[in-house]
Amino acid sequence: DSGVTQTPKHLITATGQRVTLRCSPRSGDLSVYWYQQSLDQGLQFLIQYYNGEERAKGNILERFSAQQFPDLHSELNLSSLELGDSALYFCASSVDRGRGEQYFGPGTRLTVT
Amino acid sequence: GQNIDQPTEMTATEGAIVQINCTYQTSGFNGLFWYQQHAGEAPTFLSYNVLDGLEEKGRFSSFLSRSKGYSYLLLKELQMKDSASYLCAVTLNTGGFKTIFGAGTRLFVKA
Repeated sequence: DSGVTQTPKHLITATGQRVTLRCSPRSGDLSVYWYQQSLDQGLQFLIQYYNGEERAKGNILERFSAQQFPDLHSELNLSSLELGDSALYFCASSVDRGRGEQYFGPGTRLTVT
Repeated sequence: GQNIDQPTEMTATEGAIVQINCTYQTSGFNGLFWYQQHAGEAPTFLSYNVLDGLEEKGRFSSFLSRSKGYSYLLLKELQMKDSASYLCAVTLNTGGFKTIFGAGTRLFVKA
């Protein structure tokens, strides 16, 4: 158990809908990262927050947005969902601004039908 | 652009040694990580290299050559439970820090 929690574990929704994925980092970690992993593909970095502020951005679609709250938990919002958004979404956390190792949550499996 | 290459699949025998290579072409290199990922599960941290040389951690070792853009992960005394994907990841300093992952090497350990 990495200490990172993610909810929900599974999510099934229809195209065009909007969902929110939630992540709580390990105690003491200030950075939260979001990744997307599609079937048979590598981890794609989406976005990173450090202590409430956006620090780095990857290939995150405009339909996706995220934030980190004062209690350091983070939410990833996915809107106007398409079939191609079906994937595992991982949250990771680290104690620093992004230099060190990351600890991954169990992931949320999103299925868009 | 930023690019990380690693073999797609490897097969090795229980008790043997296997070396998984990773080459990268990036700018702003800040460090290299190896993660293990079992199917459908979260990646777990294995090793970190920031300076050239070998880092040893039990049955796992990782090597880095920054001038060659090359790393390898060495797994000794292979066990069946080592069957997993091994992800090479590079952290870049682009103003903020960003980590990019290779597609992973799927290792099959056979009896």
